[in-house]
Amino acid sequence: NAGVTQTPKFQVLKTGQSMTLQCAQDMNHNSMYWYRQDPGMGLRLIYYSASEGTTDKGEVPNGYNVSRLNKREFSLRLESAAPSQTSVYFCASSDSGQGREKLFFGSGTQLSVL
Amino acid sequence: GQSLEQPSEVTAVEGAIVQINCTYQTSGFYGLSWYQQHDGGAPTFLSYNALDGLEETGRFSSFLSRSDSYGYLLLQELQMKDSASYFCVITDSWGKFQFGAGTQVVVTP
Repeated sequence: NAGVTQTPKFQVLKTGQSMTLQCAQDMNHNSMYWYRQDPGMGLRLIYYSASEGTTDKGEVPNGYNVSRLNKREFSLRLESAAPSQTSVYFCASSDSGQGREKLFFGSGTQLSVL
Repeated sequence: GQSLEQPSEVTAVEGAIVQINCTYQTSGFYGLSWYQQHDGGAPTFLSYNALDGLEETGRFSSFLSRSDSYGYLLLQELQMKDSASYFCVITDSWGKFQFGAGTQVVVTP
């Protein structure tokens, strides 16, 4: 049982390049999330998906797009990377109903934009 | 809007008790949870309170007072491995989770 799997673990981009962060969960969860964490700070929500086929903006969506490809997969795309997007990115999932109080996280992607 | 406040750092010796307070402001409050994060790792779930009162999980306990918009995490019998960041997190009625800035707990011998 893998839980939440994120790829890649590390990435270096030049300003203006694009990339997609992949995330998949095998727990049959309805909700999935993308967060970013900057040094010494908490996690800030970029986008979330309450169920397959729906996505909504979080606190810091500018410069990002997402796709909820199916119930398992939720990808985050940077169309034109900027140095301000240097951060650690975490994907997470949670159940709905009675299990909705708990987030399960992937291991994170450390992204540097030069 | 939503906001959470928690102390930035707490230092304590092994075997001691530490309390991390969290105050919040939000609409559509559903519950308060706590997560632990070691350096370089992902956050992991510790506890959750939807109702007023105390929840105990081993050496860790969490408390919530909805009327005061206040909660705390209590770490007992501190161990070196408890050195980490601890986040209070609001779950809202729409299923979103908002994180506080985190409290760095430093355990000294």
